[in-house]
Amino acid sequence: DGGITQSPKYLFRKEGQNVTLSCEQNLNHDAMYWYRQDPGQGLRLIYYSQIVNDFQKGDIAEGYSVSREKKESFPLTVTSAQKNPTAFYLCASSPGQSVTQYFGPGTRLLVL
Amino acid sequence: DAKTTQPNSMESNEEEPVHLPCNHSTISGTDYIHWYRQLPSQGPEYVIHGLTSNVNNRMASLAIAEDRKSSTLILHRATLRDAAVYYCILISLSGAGSYQLTFGKGTKLSVIP
Repeated sequence: DGGITQSPKYLFRKEGQNVTLSCEQNLNHDAMYWYRQDPGQGLRLIYYSQIVNDFQKGDIAEGYSVSREKKESFPLTVTSAQKNPTAFYLCASSPGQSVTQYFGPGTRLLVL
Repeated sequence: DAKTTQPNSMESNEEEPVHLPCNHSTISGTDYIHWYRQLPSQGPEYVIHGLTSNVNNRMASLAIAEDRKSSTLILHRATLRDAAVYYCILISLSGAGSYQLTFGKGTKLSVIP
């Protein structure tokens, strides 16, 4: 089945530790996105990528990093510089020139 | 992107129609009106979108005011599975190849059995 997968479903981070969230899609979509959602809030854009080897900062990129070495994959690293990382992280993708975004199931990150 | 205003919450009885309103008084001529919904602990899901004319699909209908300053998402028969947060989003097609969706807090729909 085509779709977007995110792993793990739950992730725990210790203070000062970097963690990487996985996002994979087999929809052959060009664009991929990372959003953060805090409880009771809407989604906020962290990073997005239109093509392989290219990505742009969203509204809240500080403390995060991404890479786009393959079309199918867009991993997000939450660095130790992100002081309040506890949130629900959502990955999405969209075909070129299309507005509709398709979302993965999300990863919930908790700080120990 | 232009701003949208939605009620924080709404309730509906099961199997009754639901009308979810959205105000977007500053909408521009190139803005499309999109609706997504998010079930608890899941990623958002595309519902429907339109520009000027009313739209129907298997999930819902979208009624757009003649002046485009407001729109209404219509679920014809609410089921318990429709309980979710519904987001109304305006997107302008700039041709850049990717589009940033700006999600507000949306409307939390509760469906009563």
